[in-house]
Amino acid sequence: EVQLVESGGGLVQPGGSLRLSCAASGFTFYTYWMTWVRQAPGKGLEWVANIKEDGSEKYYVDSVKGRFTISRDNAKKSLYLQMNGLRAEDTAVYYCVRAATTQWYDYWGQGTLVAVSS
Amino acid sequence: EIVLTQSPATLSLSPGERATLSCRASQSVSSYLAWYQQKPGQAPRLLIYDASNRATGIPARFSGSGSGTDFTLTISSLEPEDFAVYYCQQRSDLFTFGPGTKVDIK
Repeated sequence: EVQLVESGGGLVQPGGSLRLSCAASGFTFYTYWMTWVRQAPGKGLEWVANIKEDGSEKYYVDSVKGRFTISRDNAKKSLYLQMNGLRAEDTAVYYCVRAATTQWYDYWGQGTLVAVSS
Repeated sequence: EIVLTQSPATLSLSPGERATLSCRASQSVSSYLAWYQQKPGQAPRLLIYDASNRATGIPARFSGSGSGTDFTLTISSLEPEDFAVYYCQQRSDLFTFGPGTKVDIK
């Protein structure tokens, strides 16, 4: 069974940092692109970043470029999102998502809440 | 950036009725469009990919059509569990989601 379990969310002050983690199991992690998608409270979905199977390619939504860094450790079957310079508008549930071989998002974690507030 | 527009914002229907949801792209995305369903407190679920292909385990009452800039998700006969929010997503140029259509009970 495919499982994606996020952790690392919490309350942080504006300008602060957080590192999200996602533990993957039930599939061959190193053969899939992985993605972070976020959802602000009561709002829609927003793609944040994705990373190629071997970590050689990474892409970001413009609003987080230069502040967020996506990475992965295939030996640990884990995905990460380092978030620096956090802003109130980064407040959201962050989902760890697997991209299927079709490149669509076929498995999602349960999400971890990041709240940026003073 | 490709912008996706969904209409209507809310669709109020009764069980057994047909639902037709629209997604329009600001420029052509070819067939690189998917539909997701999200229920309160849950993660989204992939329904349709590449505009018209049902994902694994998705009932046949869900169908997708369209290409280029105009796409439609049709639910042929609403079941009680289908009342949810539906998002379209493109992957022609990076990734963007539409704002969603809420299907609620009339």
